[in-house]
Amino acid sequence: DQQVKQNSPSLSVQEGRISILNCDYTNSMFDYFLWYKKYPAEGPTFLISISSIKDKNEDGRFTVFLNKSAKHLSLHIVPSQPGDSAVYFCAALIQGAQKLVFGQGTRLTINP
Amino acid sequence: NAGVTQTPKFQVLKTGQSMTLQCAQDMNHEYMSWYRQDPGMGLRLIHYSVGAGITDQGEVPNGYNVSRSTTEDFPLRLLSAAPSQTSVYFCATSALVANYGYTFGSGTRLTVV
Repeated sequence: DQQVKQNSPSLSVQEGRISILNCDYTNSMFDYFLWYKKYPAEGPTFLISISSIKDKNEDGRFTVFLNKSAKHLSLHIVPSQPGDSAVYFCAALIQGAQKLVFGQGTRLTINP
Repeated sequence: NAGVTQTPKFQVLKTGQSMTLQCAQDMNHEYMSWYRQDPGMGLRLIHYSVGAGITDQGEVPNGYNVSRSTTEDFPLRLLSAAPSQTSVYFCATSALVANYGYTFGSGTRLTVV
C-alpha cells in the first residue's frame, strides 16, 4: 500500500516557466513533509520541507504548498532552470517515528 | 568531511552468494537507515537504527540483516542473494532531533544474476 504517491512519472517544462510537481498521501498521521532532488548516479539531496502546522514554505525559487484536508502537497519551481532537470521525490514522516516514506518520484526535464 | 560513504559503488553477485554493503558516516548522527530504489517504486526503507545497539525493520526487511555496533557504521548484509534484490541501495543518516534533510550516500548498485 503506497502511502505517498506521485502520480506523474515525468514532467517536461520550458526553461523560465513554472514547474509544479504534485504528491498525495494517505496517512493522516504524517506531520512533516520533504522534497528531495536526485541526479543520476548520486544520492538524493534534501531540497525543502514543510511542517503540517504550515501551509506554505518558500526557499528561493522553490515553494512547497500543503493542503492537509486534501492530503496533497506540491512543489513549485519558478523560474525553472536546466539544472533543475532531475528526479524529484516527495517524502513524509511522523515526527519522532523516524521512518521517512517516499513517493515513486517524478522525472522533471527542463527544455531550453 | 566525507559525510556518508557507501562501499562498494557497484557489485555483481551470483544467486546464493552473500555480501555486506558498507555505510560509514562522520557526522555523529544517531539515526542511520538503508533504502532500496527500484523503478516505479521510489525508495523503500529496509532497516534503520536510532543508535548503537538498536535496530528495527522497515518496509522491506526480508533477506537483509543489519547491526549497529558503533555510531559511525551501519552495514547491510545479504546472506543469500536473490535476483529480486537487484537494486540500488542508499544509506541515509540524520540527527534525531532534526526531522529534515536526511543525508544520503551516493549509493551501491547491486546486480544479482
